[in-house]
Amino acid sequence: DTEVTQTPKHLVMGMTNKKSLKCEQHMGHRAMYWYKQKAKKPPELMFVYSYEKLSINESVPSRFSPECPNSSLLNLHLHALQPEDSALYLCASSQGKELAFPYNEQFFGPGTRLTVL
Amino acid sequence: GIQVEQSPPDLILQEGANSTLRCNFSDSVNNLQWFHQNPWGQLINLFYIPSGTKQNGRLSATTVATERYSLLYISSSQTTDSGVYFCAVVGGGTSYGKLTFGQGTILTVHP
Repeated sequence: DTEVTQTPKHLVMGMTNKKSLKCEQHMGHRAMYWYKQKAKKPPELMFVYSYEKLSINESVPSRFSPECPNSSLLNLHLHALQPEDSALYLCASSQGKELAFPYNEQFFGPGTRLTVL
Repeated sequence: GIQVEQSPPDLILQEGANSTLRCNFSDSVNNLQWFHQNPWGQLINLFYIPSGTKQNGRLSATTVATERYSLLYISSSQTTDSGVYFCAVVGGGTSYGKLTFGQGTILTVHP
């Protein structure tokens, strides 16, 4: 089963709201990722978690706060977002085995379409 | 960082036609994937192909790592093939799996 699930599918929030995006995989993968995709653009990496530890933060503003409570779950907490943060947020996972990390195939969830008013 | 260029940016076909999409990359890669993004935004894995040739039904892909390019072939295209095709790579110097995407090829297949 190569499935990554994401909830919610759609989210509309105001600039003062706090919300969270959730991602789950049950493939035993140890690496999980958040990507952001603006309209008519390719996805861009935001964060990488490896063995539940944050490995990479691609200079993402602090209003985005990732969390990896266990090896199957990845959350993205949102606070005080701006309208320009409206985008499709994609979660991905890969096997993440230590030496083979860069080589592993990544599998993506269906995304959460976020609108900030 | 590594640069990824895809061509053509747009492609319009009649059902049944064949096509070739190209991906050029600027440095050695540890990983190369082809994706199809459907109208709802889902990225569907087509091929994991850092080198060599693979086939899956009407689709096939070839990566020539030494010459830094990959090709995706679509034969006997169908309307359901419409969407955006992305090539994405993990650069050779990367210690983590950062996928860098090309700008994509928008494919439209007319009945």
